[in-house]
Amino acid sequence: RKEVEQDPGPFNVPEGATVAFNCTYSNSASQSFFWYRQDCRKEPKLLMSVYSSGNEDGRFTAQLNRASQYISLLIRDSKLSDSATYLCVVNPQGSGGYNKLIFGAGTRLAVHP
Amino acid sequence: GAGVSQSPRYKVTKRGQDVALRCDPISGHVSLYWYRQALGQGPEFLTYFNYEAQQDKSGLPNDRFSAERPEGSISTLTIQRTEQRDSAMYRCASSLTSRSSYNEQFFGPGTRLTVL
Repeated sequence: RKEVEQDPGPFNVPEGATVAFNCTYSNSASQSFFWYRQDCRKEPKLLMSVYSSGNEDGRFTAQLNRASQYISLLIRDSKLSDSATYLCVVNPQGSGGYNKLIFGAGTRLAVHP
Repeated sequence: GAGVSQSPRYKVTKRGQDVALRCDPISGHVSLYWYRQALGQGPEFLTYFNYEAQQDKSGLPNDRFSAERPEGSISTLTIQRTEQRDSAMYRCASSLTSRSSYNEQFFGPGTRLTVL
């Protein structure tokens, strides 16, 4: 079983749609969680961290369910510029450890006019 | 300011040759990471440096792979006797420190390695 699993997609949605991505992780001791965005042929970039209480950044909302070892990302009012691959990322080392990041394979999003 | 830079951006080599991939992290960043990314996959951790100390090399696939960061800045990932299965995008990332588990890692553009 992979340490971080995501639905690869692609998710094809119209502009203005709301889309949600899910991710599960296997290491119950994991302490920190992220969503990275990767555009085609580019490097991954941090989209947002995911906190236990859930957090929102503009149109993006991230949720964490530790009991189910499940992370989600919700994008509201999708824009064409949101088209990218969204990588679910887990740091299994915990606070005080270094940031060895474990990446999922990514979920592709394509937003069309 | 300048981000993480990597060179060469593309490297084509013949099976059995050695290659050296360079990473220049963001100035002042203490932590440096190497990842390998296959097509359609997320980056896979290879190794980690804190300053010049290699603190984790658990992700290196075998002993043909090695990395160094002798002065705590630029790092080199070396692959000896390359094989076709080594073909991938090799990415470097750096972060200011590793003391907070939420320190952002900034990735470089990567080196696309093709082994013929």
